[in-house]
Amino acid sequence: SQQGEEDPQALSIQEGENATMNCSYKTSINNLQWYRQNSGRGLVHLILIRSNEREKHSGRLRVTLDTSKKSSSLLITASRAADTASYFCATVPGANSKLTFGKGITLSVRP
Amino acid sequence: ETGVTQSPTHLIKTRGQQVTLRCSSQSGHNTVSWYQQALGQGPQFIFQYYREEENGRGNFPPRFSGLQFPNYSSELNVNALELDDSALYLCASSLAGREYGYTFGSGTRLTVV
Repeated sequence: SQQGEEDPQALSIQEGENATMNCSYKTSINNLQWYRQNSGRGLVHLILIRSNEREKHSGRLRVTLDTSKKSSSLLITASRAADTASYFCATVPGANSKLTFGKGITLSVRP
Repeated sequence: ETGVTQSPTHLIKTRGQQVTLRCSSQSGHNTVSWYQQALGQGPQFIFQYYREEENGRGNFPPRFSGLQFPNYSSELNVNALELDDSALYLCASSLAGREYGYTFGSGTRLTVV
């Protein structure tokens, strides 16, 4: 069963613009992670935010977490054509627990 | 440091057959988990192995089984293949007790005809 629900399902932007993707989940979490997937291949870990954190940055990525609303957002600034991929949020309920993924967001960045 | 390696990359099987997929975990990782990703969907958790024991299982029937070896590599076995088993199978490794992202392999694309 899916835990996270990403929004929007698809996003198309121009190179240089910012991309914002949202994720909502249903149950309590230990941490929330964002992954990228290119062309149906393996997933690449982007960033992890713990349940007691509200915001985290990594390069051009900024992730926020609102546990009261059970939601997270991923912001990619100054997007590049190479950012074109599917993005998934995944929740982790406890230490060393499984990842529960949403259905993903397809991001297209036009050159 | 090597990443997660999965083999084979592609596989075509006939309904009713059995298949074994393999995964070598990242150096230093002791936990392996398997995920099934149908086309257009997010990955679904199959099971996880730690210290050669299954320590978590998703909503998959018993014909999905696995092994973890002393070197932390792993196998996923699927018996009596069904058409709906066609998917991308992903292996991920991690280190128990450490809170960071999982390392995924590139996956095995299984097609059941």
